[in-house]
Amino acid sequence: GNSVTQMEGPVTLSEEAFLTINCTYTATGYPSLFWYVQYPGEGLQLLLKATKADDKGSNKGFEATYRKETTSFHLEKGSVQVSDSAVYFCALTISNYQLIWGAGTKLIIKP
Amino acid sequence: DTGVSQDPRHKITKRGQNVTFRCDPISEHNRLYWYRQTLGQGPEFLTYFQNEAQLEKSRLLSDRFSAERPKGSFSTLEIQRTEQGDSAMYLCASSSNLYARKNNEQFFGPGTRLTVL
Repeated sequence: GNSVTQMEGPVTLSEEAFLTINCTYTATGYPSLFWYVQYPGEGLQLLLKATKADDKGSNKGFEATYRKETTSFHLEKGSVQVSDSAVYFCALTISNYQLIWGAGTKLIIKP
Repeated sequence: DTGVSQDPRHKITKRGQNVTFRCDPISEHNRLYWYRQTLGQGPEFLTYFQNEAQLEKSRLLSDRFSAERPKGSFSTLEIQRTEQGDSAMYLCASSSNLYARKNNEQFFGPGTRLTVL
């Protein structure tokens, strides 16, 4: 079946540190891949996406590259800020209606 | 465009009672989705509408759950005879199929947090 696995949190970093949140997937067919972010008290927001192998999604300094050979879509940011503290979800869709989600990774950035 | 809205934001009910949640999607979106999210987990798909037609239902959606989208605009999710295991955040999302298939971004509402005592 289709599934998403992401690294367990919380991940705690100091401001300006480099961030990686790992995400791997299993899928039948050719999924589209997404990172969503949930800030405290707010709804889920799409952060970035990639729809085919080798595509790189980017937004707000975050990047993720669709790696078909390693079935991965790791989220990276070169220099995190306190305002990046949130829960990050990796997700995929095959059917284009049902999103399949990872469990989420809580990110805590300390000043 | 005010985004996806959900009402109520919080609901506390006693076991065995019925509850109904409402979702208002982004006005030009013809697709609407319901998900359930429990603490520490990612959302789980419940059901999906295209216009007024309910096209897919998850096996998670027991016969106590029913969803409608009568005029292809807002949607309601009803849970009958609530159980403590129904306590969760219920999320609604909407999207448009106007663009290419893989650009079908889902926009989420703030959710309705249900607590069953």
